[in-house]
Amino acid sequence: QKEVEQNSGPLSVPEGAIASLNCTYSDRGSQSFFWYRQYSGKSPELIMFIYSNGDKEDGRFTAQLNKASQYVSLLIRDSQPSDSATYLCAVGGGTSYGKLTFGQGTILTVHP
Amino acid sequence: DAGVTQSPTHLIKTRGQQVTLRCSPKSGHDTVSWYQQALGQGPQFIFQYYEEEERQRGNFPDRFSGHQFPNYSSELNVNALLLGDSALYLCASSLGTGRTGELFFGEGSRLTVL
Repeated sequence: QKEVEQNSGPLSVPEGAIASLNCTYSDRGSQSFFWYRQYSGKSPELIMFIYSNGDKEDGRFTAQLNKASQYVSLLIRDSQPSDSATYLCAVGGGTSYGKLTFGQGTILTVHP
Repeated sequence: DAGVTQSPTHLIKTRGQQVTLRCSPKSGHDTVSWYQQALGQGPQFIFQYYEEEERQRGNFPDRFSGHQFPNYSSELNVNALLLGDSALYLCASSLGTGRTGELFFGEGSRLTVL
């Protein structure tokens, strides 16, 4: 079982739609959860982090965390072509203190 | 405010050679982590340096070693290169105390082993 697993892609949505990205993790002691965006040929860029159960909103982005289900998600509202990228879920803390464990990434394409 | 800088950006080596990659953290950050990202995969944690010591290490062989200098900059060394070491090597800086915090990544060093 992978430590951090993301929904298989690629994911394609029309411009203006909601994109939903999902992630599950295996370490129940994990404490911090991150979503990174990585454009092709570039380095990962942090877009959201969440530490507590529930929702966290930042502009068009909403991160959702359910520790009981060991599940993290990212919703992108009003998707734009510029959102087309690979989205990486990363988990830290717990037994992996000091490092982040990344999922394999989900490729998102937003078409006009 | 300079972000995380890495050098070189691209390099080509042959099997068995050794390579050194360099990283300067974001201003104000004291912790440097190194990640390996193979094509189409997420970054994998190699190790983390804090206060000039290796604080945690991922599942990488001893061929991978590192160092952190008093000015918080860091080096990653890989000996006896294998074809499978070809990847993007990412340096990330953060503040070292407390729970895992935000990582700021450099643009990476792309290593090709022939």
